Amino acid sequence: ETGVTQSPTHLIKTRGQQVTLRCSSQSGHNTVSWYQQALGQGPQFIFQYYREEENGRGNFPPRFSGLQFPNYSSELNVNALELDDSALYLCASSLGGGQPQHFGDGTRLSIL
Amino acid sequence: QQQVKQSPQSLIVQKGGIPIINCAYENTAFDYFPWYQQFPGKGPALLIAIRPDVSEKKEGRFTISFNKSAKQFSLHIMDSQPGDSATYFCAASRRNFNKFYFGSGTKLNVKP
Repeated sequence: ETGVTQSPTHLIKTRGQQVTLRCSSQSGHNTVSWYQQALGQGPQFIFQYYREEENGRGNFPPRFSGLQFPNYSSELNVNALELDDSALYLCASSLGGGQPQHFGDGTRLSIL
Repeated sequence: QQQVKQSPQSLIVQKGGIPIINCAYENTAFDYFPWYQQFPGKGPALLIAIRPDVSEKKEGRFTISFNKSAKQFSLHIMDSQPGDSATYFCAASRRNFNKFYFGSGTKLNVKP
């Protein structure tokens, strides 16, 4: 059974640029959630996708957007990057509501 | 407003000791309480989880104690080992929705 995989592992961008992060969910998992984890903090919920539809959003501005594909893989897009966007971005997949979430190892995004 | 409050921020114990990490929540709609372990450079890994219909759950050396009336839950690690040195996060979510609210984390150091 393949776990959650994320790419790339590290990324360096400059302010104002745009970035796309990718996530392949665990086999059979139809729900993908994205989290932002600042250094020394707990993960903060960005949004969740269930069967290609956004199914809830945290307190993040619209420049954070996402997609889920028919194979349940997902993308996180961030436009107009700001210095405060520097963080570890985590993807988690699950079988749906109330089920355990399984996390990938994240993408470390650094904004210069 | 922080939905889940976690303490202590850091903890040092000797090998064989029993570290205890505490979490408190406000939202009585929460009904799923997992604990995650995170090593540097890795994503959070699910350790153990509990639902509010039981007061205690054990899995190996890890035990969750749950006090519904006090809206508190804790993680106990029996016979702790240096390999348990990691950051531990508690979390909470509502039924049928996979938005997890994470605590701020506890950095555990188990000395040989």
